[in-house]
Amino acid sequence: QKEVEQNSGPLSVPEGAIASLNCTYSDRVSQSFFWYRQYSGKSPELIMSIYSNGDKEDGRFTAQLNKASQYVSLLIRDSQPSDSATYLCAPRDSSYKLIFGSGTRLLVRP
Amino acid sequence: DAGVIQSPRHEVTEMGQEVTLRCKPISGHNSLFWYRQTMMRGLELLIYFNNNVPIDDSGMPEDRFSAKMPNASFSTLKIQPSEPRDSAVYFCASSSSGRRLTEAFFGQGTRLTVV
Repeated sequence: QKEVEQNSGPLSVPEGAIASLNCTYSDRVSQSFFWYRQYSGKSPELIMSIYSNGDKEDGRFTAQLNKASQYVSLLIRDSQPSDSATYLCAPRDSSYKLIFGSGTRLLVRP
Repeated sequence: DAGVIQSPRHEVTEMGQEVTLRCKPISGHNSLFWYRQTMMRGLELLIYFNNNVPIDDSGMPEDRFSAKMPNASFSTLKIQPSEPRDSAVYFCASSSSGRRLTEAFFGQGTRLTVV
């Protein structure tokens, strides 16, 4: 089993809709969780971090964490064409290791 | 802060040649990561350092790859000899790892082409 699993997509949503991106991880000791966005030809950039169970909102983005189910998600409200990118999930454990999922490609249709 | 700085941005080399990629982490960060990204395999963790000490190099593909961090402000990833299958984008990232494990910040990457 892969350490971090994401649906590769593409996930296609119309402009203005909610995009829901999901991630499961196998390491039960993961403590910190990060969502990165990567545009084609660019380096990954941080979108959200979450450390505790529950929801964390930042503008149009909401991260949701459920450690018991080893599941973390990212919701993007009012999706814009500029949100079209690959979204990478990255749990981090106490050994400092930071592993990335293969990413979900999001396409927002105008 | 200028962020994580990688050099060179692009490297084209012939098979069998030695390649050295360089990274300057963000000042004050004590964790450093080297990743390789390809379409087929995604973003793979090659090696990471904490306080200049290699913690886990299990992602290094083979003995042709080596990495060093002689001090807190500099790291190198060396491939010797290089092969066409090493062609990829190599990213360096740094973070602080104190009481809370914070996010990693990425450099611009080095696009390596081995012909």
